Amino acid sequence: GAVVSQHPSWVICKSGTSVKIECRSLDFQATTMFWYRQFPKQSLMLMATSNEGSKATYEQGVEKDKFLINHASLTLSTLTVTSAHPEDSSFYICSVRGVNEQFFGPGTRLTVL
Amino acid sequence: AQSVAQPEDQVNVAEGNPLTVKCTYSVSGNPYLFWYVQYPNRGLQFLLKYITGDNLVKGSYGFEAEFNKSQTSFHLKKPSALVSDSALYFCAVRGSSASKIIFGSGTRLSIRP
Repeated sequence: GAVVSQHPSWVICKSGTSVKIECRSLDFQATTMFWYRQFPKQSLMLMATSNEGSKATYEQGVEKDKFLINHASLTLSTLTVTSAHPEDSSFYICSVRGVNEQFFGPGTRLTVL
Repeated sequence: AQSVAQPEDQVNVAEGNPLTVKCTYSVSGNPYLFWYVQYPNRGLQFLLKYITGDNLVKGSYGFEAEFNKSQTSFHLKKPSALVSDSALYFCAVRGSSASKIIFGSGTRLSIRP
């Protein structure tokens, strides 16, 4: 399967700052990537679908101006949490769409103080 | 609409005993079914999938799952549990015409020595 990396693996920031998370598909050209958020002891919730070369598609209830997604190449998608607040603290996981399945990155733990 | 249910928040099994983690689904058309495992502070690891073919699917680490169309179930099983199997397990489904995977709420599997 595809190898997916995320950077950073964890980040702590002050409230009001912006944080960028990178998702890279190391051995697979990904036209579609997905961004999920996972709160403690909960399931993965899809935030948005990132399409290479076009605007991301956001799930209902996800603020597109707060969670900026850029998918400029077939191997890189970025998620920027703008003006982060403590309630944005979560585990963010990206995923690459394969032929029939999805491959997941290791996740990024964001803590907003 | 797609949905997947994992009725058990936690499953406790003694090492060496068989284990079952339950999953039922609802989807339009033919289902694509998946099981993933998540260790603490890690992304999801793919275990197995059912797309078509034999109803009994064998996957990684000795796990298997049986697709039951009449009961709309895809329970995960292993004949003999290991302590290292302790983790969070997610069932997921995608309709054949859908673009995204929907996850269940997760089941925490705890294997006692």
